Amino acid sequence: AQSVTQLDSQVPVFEEAPVELRCNYSSSVSVYLFWYVQYPNQGLQLLLKYLSGSTLVESINGFEAEFNKSQTSFHLRKPSVHISDTAEYFCAVKGAAGNKLTFGGGTRVLVKP
Amino acid sequence: GAVVSQHPSRVICKSGTSVKIECRSLDFQATTMFWYRQFPKQSLMLMATSNEGSKATYEQGVEKDKFLINHASLTLSTLTVTSAHPEDSSFYICSASKGGLYEQYFGPGTRLTVT
Repeated sequence: AQSVTQLDSQVPVFEEAPVELRCNYSSSVSVYLFWYVQYPNQGLQLLLKYLSGSTLVESINGFEAEFNKSQTSFHLRKPSVHISDTAEYFCAVKGAAGNKLTFGGGTRVLVKP
Repeated sequence: GAVVSQHPSRVICKSGTSVKIECRSLDFQATTMFWYRQFPKQSLMLMATSNEGSKATYEQGVEKDKFLINHASLTLSTLTVTSAHPEDSSFYICSASKGGLYEQYFGPGTRLTVT
């Protein structure tokens, strides 16, 4: 079984400032890791994922996350946020041999002008 | 590619009635579909996993007789909330996968309000 902990439930940040959303997981097997974004009253959109290879993965809109196996972390970062980045962000993990996603509790990012 | 739709997007029903939510994969064949429930300001909780042509596998604590799931084709799964009560009010989200290790693609969600 896997579990995911997102340490911050809410992160207020000023526009153009950097942001980091923390995600830690626990698992007894190899995992794949994901970050999803959810805008109000919408479903989830995949932001980025780590399956294998380079531990640093990037999205097309400036987010990046680094898989750290020793610290069992997959923190999400963006060097400069926009108002439009205001959303809920979910970290998720899936066992390499399974098909179920386990989600963290979510982090609400509020970007202020 | 990989678009998943849900219908309806919002539904209001009276207590005691049943409501059906559809989840469709529009441009791929979904061997596996998942149904999640999300309470306000909370994370997604997996309710059940359904494979095309098979009975759904429900997560612990989810009443299979209350939340009926049908996955009759590779592009359609339905969730029927039977004898709905106000506590069933929630945001229901489906996802679809090509199966195995392929990623899940999420629908836009259905907000159910039971009055």
